[in-house]
Amino acid sequence: AQTVTQSQPEMSVQEAETVTLSCTYDTSENNYYLFWYKQPPSRQMILVIRQEAYKQQNATENRFSVNFQKAAKSFSLKISDSQLGDTAMYFCAFMKRGNNDMRFGAGTRLTVKP
Amino acid sequence: GAGVSQSPSNKVTEKGKDVELRCDPISGHTALYWYRQSLGQGLEFLIYFQGNSAPDKSGLPSDRFSAERTGGSVSTLTIQRTQQEDSAVYLCASSSRTADNSPLHFGNGTRLTVT
Repeated sequence: AQTVTQSQPEMSVQEAETVTLSCTYDTSENNYYLFWYKQPPSRQMILVIRQEAYKQQNATENRFSVNFQKAAKSFSLKISDSQLGDTAMYFCAFMKRGNNDMRFGAGTRLTVKP
Repeated sequence: GAGVSQSPSNKVTEKGKDVELRCDPISGHTALYWYRQSLGQGLEFLIYFQGNSAPDKSGLPSDRFSAERTGGSVSTLTIQRTQQEDSAVYLCASSSRTADNSPLHFGNGTRLTVT
């Protein structure tokens, strides 16, 4: 079974600064996908960024980037130039290729302070 | 277009009663997921529907939980004889599943409180 661990229940960052959220996972699979989802107070989950395990290049989406370390089974999210609207719960997720079951971590509550 | 819609947004029920939670996925999305989010926990996979295939029910925690998807669109999650530990936010998501890594589009969830 796959497990996803987010070791930081809460984090805070000053507006315009950079913050990194940690995620590690445990799997014996070689082909899989990793995701970061954001859940603002409205409760609606929004995809932030995704990474295919077979790609060595780290995914980037504007101010969001990941540091994917396959050997270490680590998938951290870096948010640059943090904005107040980034305040939310962030969930790391794992999905084995060809599988229906997306596994989520417990989440990290990020607060961006003005 | 419209996103994933869930109703009700909040539901308070007495222990032992049955509840039904509804999910309207994005039109044309063939895949539909139900997740449970308990306080301080991540999202727990419950069930997955894909087109006309048999659903993947491997995440349902007990036989009190069931779900159906009529006509490949609307889905209903039913919890019978509710218990206090069933209190959680129930999230529905849909996906086009055009590729393995097609993103999930989530609804706003139903917050269930069992008193």
